[in-house]
Amino acid sequence: DAKTTQPNSMESNEEEPVHLPCNHSTISGTDYIHWYRQLPSQGPEYVIHGLTSNVNNRMASLAIAEDRKSSTLILHRATLRDAAVYYCILRDNRDDKIIFGKGTRLHILP
Amino acid sequence: EAGVAQSPRYKIIEKRQSVAFWCNPISGHATLYWYQQILGQGPKLLIQFQNNGVVDDSQLPKDRFSAERLKGVDSTLKIQPAKLEDSAVYLCASSPGVEQFFGPGTRLTVL
Repeated sequence: DAKTTQPNSMESNEEEPVHLPCNHSTISGTDYIHWYRQLPSQGPEYVIHGLTSNVNNRMASLAIAEDRKSSTLILHRATLRDAAVYYCILRDNRDDKIIFGKGTRLHILP
Repeated sequence: EAGVAQSPRYKIIEKRQSVAFWCNPISGHATLYWYQQILGQGPKLLIQFQNNGVVDDSQLPKDRFSAERLKGVDSTLKIQPAKLEDSAVYLCASSPGVEQFFGPGTRLTVL
């Protein structure tokens, strides 16, 4: 399975934008880029996914590099409730499985 | 819409005992997954069901773990006998297609 590389942890100030990077240099043409997050003591929750074009939804934006070897999850205005572990995952569209790495632990400073 | 339900939320057992976890997925979701999450790590897929058939159980330690999904709805995951290294959160997820919806998990402590 293709792998992703994320920083172990990041900090951001409340009410500021947050850019969470993800490298996936071995991505294949059938891989979608998915992001999930896991708040403390909860199961993971879906955030966003994309293939080639940038994507926006009510939670976040996903910016995908032109060569697809990296992507960035953007939280436009972080709140304390956004403190969580964020997982960047490659999902082959021929298969239903997602494989979690260790993710990035995001700390939000008040 | 009701989410994925799991019970119990917490369980403490001694090694070599048996334990079972229950999951009720979101109505209409054909795919159900069980994950194991050890502290500090991301969730690891144990087994995937499509309706009541097993799609992938390659990571399930079959000498001690078993799972079933009767009638393609609820599912149970059993560990018999438990080992210390089974201490983890066991997560159930269901999916209608792309997005997976996770339950709150069951935290298992094996003493």
